[in-house]
Amino acid sequence: QSALTQPASVSGSLGQSITVSCAGTSSDVGGHNYVSWYQHHPGKAPKLIISDVSNRPSGVSNRFSGSKSANTASLTISGLQAEDEADYYCSSYTSSSTLVFGGGTKLTVL
Amino acid sequence: EVQLVESGGGLVHPGGSLRLSCAASGFTFSSYWMHWVRQAPGKGLVWVSRINSDGTSTTYADPVKGRVTISRDNAKNTLYLQMNSLRAEDTAVYYCVRGKQVDYWGQGTLVTVSS
Repeated sequence: QSALTQPASVSGSLGQSITVSCAGTSSDVGGHNYVSWYQHHPGKAPKLIISDVSNRPSGVSNRFSGSKSANTASLTISGLQAEDEADYYCSSYTSSSTLVFGGGTKLTVL
Repeated sequence: EVQLVESGGGLVHPGGSLRLSCAASGFTFSSYWMHWVRQAPGKGLVWVSRINSDGTSTTYADPVKGRVTISRDNAKNTLYLQMNSLRAEDTAVYYCVRGKQVDYWGQGTLVTVSS
C-alpha cells in the first residue's frame, strides 16, 4: 500500500491561511469518508484534528477545517498562529481495511 | 482521561525479538479497535497493525507481515505487539493508537535494531 501524497512543506505568515493537500486513490481517500488529519509536534504524541473528512473533535480550534474532492483531501488552517508550526499527516482506511498515512507536511509559520 | 502508555522498547540485535505493551485507561478498552503505528527517525508515520475489539480479527502492513503479531488482553486493558526477526529498518518509535477513528495516541516507545 503506497503512502498518500502530501507536500513536504508549506509555509505561511501569522494570521494567514494555508492548505495542505493529501492525494490518494479511489481505493482509499476517494473510496469513503474515513479520512483524518493529525498535528504532530516532534517528541509529543500526534493529535487528531480532523476526522471523517471534515469533523473537528471536541476541543480542536475551528481554525482547522477539512474537505475532500474525488481522491484528494485537504486541510485548511486559517488565522495561522505560531503554535500551529508542526508536522501534519493525513490518513485513510483502504479498501482492504488497512490504514495508510501521508508522508507528512512540515508547516512553517513565518 | 484517555491514557495510552507504551513500554517494552529498547536496543535489540538484528534477528532478535521484542514485545511491546500498551496500557490503556480512561475508556472501555474492550470496546475499541486498536492500532500500532511507527515512525522511523526523520521519517513519517507508518501504520503497522490493527486488532478488532475482541481480538478475533487482525491486519498487518506488508513490511511486517509474518514477523509481527498484534494481540490484546481485555481483562488487563493491555495491547501487545510481538516483534520477531527484527531488522534495522524496524528502528522507530512505536505508537499505540485507539479506535477506528484513530483518535488517541500514546507517547510512543523507541525500538532500536542495531548490532
